[in-house]
Amino acid sequence: GAVVSQHPSWVICKSGTSVKIECRSLDFQATTMFWYRQFPKQSLMLMATSNEGSKATYEQGVEKDKFLINHASLTLSTLTVTSAHPEDSSFYICSASVTGTMGRTGELFFGEGSRLTVL
Amino acid sequence: AQSVAQPEDQVNVAEGNPLTVKCTYSVSGNPYLFWYVQYPNRGLQFLLKYITGDNLVKGSYGFEAEFNKSQTSFHLKKPSALVSDSALYFCAVRDTFGGGGNKLTFGTGTQLKVEL
Repeated sequence: GAVVSQHPSWVICKSGTSVKIECRSLDFQATTMFWYRQFPKQSLMLMATSNEGSKATYEQGVEKDKFLINHASLTLSTLTVTSAHPEDSSFYICSASVTGTMGRTGELFFGEGSRLTVL
Repeated sequence: AQSVAQPEDQVNVAEGNPLTVKCTYSVSGNPYLFWYVQYPNRGLQFLLKYITGDNLVKGSYGFEAEFNKSQTSFHLKKPSALVSDSALYFCAVRDTFGGGGNKLTFGTGTQLKVEL
């Protein structure tokens, strides 16, 4: 299957700093990537849809200025948590949709997730 | 709007016994249905999907799921559970009606615990 790489796996930062999380599709091109947030023992909450070469589409209630998403190429999307605070501590997961010759059925492949802890 | 319900927060089963993790869905058009598994502090791994065709879908690690249109269900099953199957399982749906790209809606997850 398609491989999605997410980095870093773990990050600890001080309150007020910014943290960047990268999501890469390693063996396919992803025009669309999705960013999710997962709280302990809860489901995935879609934060935004990242489209290559255009602005991300944010879900209702997600602060655009807080969670900056950039999809500069067909294989890379980044999520930057700006001025992080303890309440931003969470597990962030990216996913990419496989299109083209690998299928058009909307199957998503996920990164391994990034655990953010803000002190 | 599309939605998914996983009515059980946790399912306990003894190793070697069959397991079922329930999922029901709601869509406007025809559904694309998926099952994913998540191990602690890891991303989601794809197990299987239903797009069209046979209602019984076979996937990874011996799992299978049966699409039932009349009951709008897509329950995950395995004939003989293993301790290593213990994980968090998510059902997801994508509506083929109304666009929306490839956005999936996930259920709340079911924690499967397989004991010796």
